[in-house]
Amino acid sequence: AQSVTQLDSQVPVFEEAPVELRCNYSSSVSVYLFWYVQYPNQGLQLLLKYLSGSTLVKGINGFEAEFNKSQTSFHLRKPSVHISDTAEYFCAVSDQGSGGSNYKLTFGKGTLLTVNP
Amino acid sequence: EAGVAQSPRYKIIEKRQSVAFWCNPISGHATLYWYQQILGQGPKLLIQFQNNGVVDDSQLPKDRFSAERLKGVDSTLKIQPAKLEDSAVYLCASSRGQGTYNEQFFGPGTRLTVL
Repeated sequence: AQSVTQLDSQVPVFEEAPVELRCNYSSSVSVYLFWYVQYPNQGLQLLLKYLSGSTLVKGINGFEAEFNKSQTSFHLRKPSVHISDTAEYFCAVSDQGSGGSNYKLTFGKGTLLTVNP
Repeated sequence: EAGVAQSPRYKIIEKRQSVAFWCNPISGHATLYWYQQILGQGPKLLIQFQNNGVVDDSQLPKDRFSAERLKGVDSTLKIQPAKLEDSAVYLCASSRGQGTYNEQFFGPGTRLTVL
């Protein structure tokens, strides 16, 4: 079984400041990693994913994340945030051991990013 | 391309009552998921369908929850009878197939309040 820990439940930042949302995972097998964003009263939208290859993954809206296997982390970063980035962000993991045939996501509890003017 | 549709968007019921949620996935998507998102937590998978068959329902409380996808398209999730702890947002998602390379697309969710 795998688990995901998002270390910060809330992150307030000012507009145009950089931000890092932290995510650590635990799994006995290799994993795939994802970040989703949820705007108020909307469903989840995929920001980016790590499946294989380069450990630095770029996603939509200027976000990127780096997979660090030794630290079992997948932190999300953006160099300059906008008011419109205010949302809840979820880190998720899927077990590679299933061979990708059963795409079952385990989510963290989420981090609320609030961008202030 | 139309997204995943869910209805109703909001529902308030009293405990021990019954409730049903409906989901219409993106056209052509064979895999459908129902998640429960309790306030302050991430979504938890309740049940996964591949066409009209159940792939995974290991976390579905089967004594009160049921779900069906009879024609392999839209799906309903039912709770009977509801408990206070069932208050949550119920998210439906769909994907073209089961594999990890198939992105899951989420609907807006149904917010259930049990009084």
